[in-house]
Order: sequence, then C-alpha cells, then structure tokens
Amino acid sequence: NAGVTQTPKFQVLKTGQSMTLQCAQDMNHNSMYWYRQDPGMGLRLIYYSASEGTTDKGEVPNGYNVSRLNKREFSLRLESAAPSQTSVYFCASSEGGGPAYEQYFGPGTRLTVT
Amino acid sequence: DQQVKQNSPSLSVQEGRISILNCDYTNSMFDYFLWYKKYPAEGPTFLISISSIKDKNEDGRFTVFLNKSAKHLSLHIVPSQPGDSAVYFCAASGGAQKLVFGQGTRLTINP
Repeated sequence: NAGVTQTPKFQVLKTGQSMTLQCAQDMNHNSMYWYRQDPGMGLRLIYYSASEGTTDKGEVPNGYNVSRLNKREFSLRLESAAPSQTSVYFCASSEGGGPAYEQYFGPGTRLTVT
Repeated sequence: DQQVKQNSPSLSVQEGRISILNCDYTNSMFDYFLWYKKYPAEGPTFLISISSIKDKNEDGRFTVFLNKSAKHLSLHIVPSQPGDSAVYFCAASGGAQKLVFGQGTRLTINP
C-alpha cells in the first residue's frame, strides 16, 4: 500500500517549457488535490477533484491545468512555466463525500523554473 | 486575505515541557479544523482534528482546543519529545471538500 505517489521528485525547467506532474493514490479515495507550498505562505490549493470526472479551481489556479484521468490518477500541467511557479508541489487525496476528511499527502515535487 | 493565520513562524520548547501552537481564523463558516505535521522533504501528515460542535479533542500527547467565539484554536503537545520537531500547519474547512491552511509554525524541541 504505497498511499499517494508523485513523480518526478525534482525538476528544473526553463521559462516557457511545459511539464506534467503525475499523482496516483491506491486508497480508493474519491477526492484528490494539488497544492503548492511557498515559504511563509503555507499550502495553497491549486485545483481539486471532488470525484472522478470533476475538477474545480482552488485558490491559485492561474497557469495550471489538471486532468482526473481515472479514480486513481490526478495530473497537474504547467503549459508555459514561469519563475513564479518555482515551488514545492504536493498532491493529496481523501475519502470525500462530506465535510473535509483528513487528506493524505504525497512526498512532493520540488520544481525550479529558471 | 489570509483566512487561517498562524502568527508564530517558530517556537522553541525544552524536551518534556508543553508545546502550545496557536491558530486564528476569520471565516465563521469554518466548521472543521485539522492539524498537520510536516518533516523536511516529506508531505504533511494528519495529526488531529476537531469539529466545531466540540471544544476539545484529545489523542495521546496531543490535544486540540477550539474557542469559537474567539475564532481561535490551539494544539497542545505534552510532554514534548525531540521527534515532535517539525513544521505544524493548522487547516480549516467550511463543509466543502477543500481545506484552507495556515502558514505553518516550526517547532523545535531542545534536549
């Protein structure tokens, strides 16, 4: 039981390049989330998927797109990376279906955009 | 507009003593609160939660207190141990699937 896995662990991009961050969970959870963590800002929600087939914007969605590929997988795409997107990205999942249940986080992807 | 605030970026406590981490919120629609713990190079892990219908929840060495009138919650760790050194985030939810996180407090337990 791996929980929430994320790939890659580290990535360096040049401004304007694109990439997709992958996330998968094996807990049969309904809801999945993408956050970014910046110093002094805590965790900010980028996008979330309350259930398979649905996605919604969070607090900081600009510059990102997401795909809920199936119940297990939720990817985050940067179409044209900018230095402001340098951050640590966390994927999370939860059972869903009511008030916010505890969320289980992956180990994170450290992204640097030069 | 920070709806959940942790005003202390860092806290240093002696081993064996009580650690108290504080969190304030502004949105009166929040009805569920959680604390997460994060070690370096790892994702946050859930620690303890409390519903707005309660004012206290205990789990071993960890107790969360909620003061709805003051829109304030606190996490008490007693006794503090070296392994408790980490960054602690409080988070709040308003009935939807989303959580709003505070900025985090770095707790250091000194021997």
